[in-house]
Amino acid sequence: NAGVTQTPKFRVLKTGQSMTLLCAQDMNHEYMYWYRQDPGMGLRLIHYSVGEGTTAKGEVPDGYNVSRLKKQNFLLGLESAAPSQTSVYFCASSRTGGGEKLFFGSGTQLSVL
Amino acid sequence: AQSVTQPDIHITVSEGASLELRCNYSYGATPYLFWYVQSPGQGLQLLLKYFSGDTLVQGIKGFEAEFKRSQSSFNLRKPSVHWSDAAEYFCAVGNNNNDMRFGAGTRLTVKP
Repeated sequence: NAGVTQTPKFRVLKTGQSMTLLCAQDMNHEYMYWYRQDPGMGLRLIHYSVGEGTTAKGEVPDGYNVSRLKKQNFLLGLESAAPSQTSVYFCASSRTGGGEKLFFGSGTQLSVL
Repeated sequence: AQSVTQPDIHITVSEGASLELRCNYSYGATPYLFWYVQSPGQGLQLLLKYFSGDTLVQGIKGFEAEFKRSQSSFNLRKPSVHWSDAAEYFCAVGNNNNDMRFGAGTRLTVKP
């Protein structure tokens, strides 16, 4: 019973490098989300998706892109990483919107040097 | 957009003592309100949620929260804290699109 799986768990990048974080859920959820967590700031929504083929901007979308080509996967891309993107990234999913419980992955620790 | 304030960054309580964690929200309509808990190195787990009906909500692990519209608050309570409750607690407010906004979190330390 995997739930929400994030890969990789840890990554170190140099400034300017690119990478993609993968989120996969096996619960047939419509909604998926990417958050970043920084000390003293809680979780901030980067992008989210309300269904396959759709994406929307959250609170802090700049410097990130996302794609939801398949219902079970939600990819987060950093085209040119910056030290300000050093953070812990969490993916989450929910069955629908409107007050549904979020299921979280275990996070990806990203450091940009 | 909606927002959440958790006034207490860090709280320390003795094991067996009661607990109250504060949460204030800002949202124009009736909010969806949540409390999540995060243990070190883990993702977040839902404790309880409110979106309508009885303003006193029961959750898992013996937690409860009360929605007070007049005070824009959704405080989390537990009558007797256990050492295993040490974690970080996040209040969140959502809208119909599940655009969920989280507070900065309150770290709970439990003294033996």
